[in-house]
Amino acid sequence: SQTIHQWPATLVQPVGSPLSLECTVEGTSNPNLYWYRQAAGRGLQLLFYSVGIGQISSEVPQNLSASRPQDRQFILSSKKLLLSDSGFYLCAWSVGTGSSEKLFFGSGTQLSVL
Amino acid sequence: DAKTTQPNSMESNEEEPVHLPCNHSTISGTDYIHWYRQLPSQGPEYVIHGLTSNVNNRMASLAIAEDRKSSTLILHRATLRDAAVYYCIGRGGGSNYKLTFGKGTLLTVNP
Repeated sequence: SQTIHQWPATLVQPVGSPLSLECTVEGTSNPNLYWYRQAAGRGLQLLFYSVGIGQISSEVPQNLSASRPQDRQFILSSKKLLLSDSGFYLCAWSVGTGSSEKLFFGSGTQLSVL
Repeated sequence: DAKTTQPNSMESNEEEPVHLPCNHSTISGTDYIHWYRQLPSQGPEYVIHGLTSNVNNRMASLAIAEDRKSSTLILHRATLRDAAVYYCIGRGGGSNYKLTFGKGTLLTVNP
């Protein structure tokens, strides 16, 4: 069966520090991978998605970047965190395309930038 | 993805059925209607999806209006564990890999 691992579960970082969040998927090949962010009390915002190794699409201009060095690994990074980067970060995967495609989410990372 | 409209919040009592509405008047003929839910401090989880016919699974039922401009997620017997934010999404196909989540409906279940 497929599983998604996302870590760490919580993270407190000072403003200006770097960030690296990692997500890995097991039990599937060539998944579509996604990074979402949820600010406190708000909906989910799609940040990045990837349909293959080295293929990254960014949805919104921001202080963050994403990379996919391996088929089932997706990394979210920042060189210098801002206060506004605080939020709940979620990695997700799916297989296939089309309007019946389903997403499966990780357990999330709660990031607090102080 | 098609624009959807949901009530901000709803309340139910335990053991009673819950009907969560969603309007999607701009949905195209090939857009599936997806429902996800998000429990507190967790990532969203898939609940159900459908195109034209009503759908049932172990979690819920999805009733889709004949004109497809609205749908209703039905929880047959609400439990305290069903308290969550429920998202209705009109999912486009083709090369559209993006699933857009709105603010959803916050369901409160009273004991």
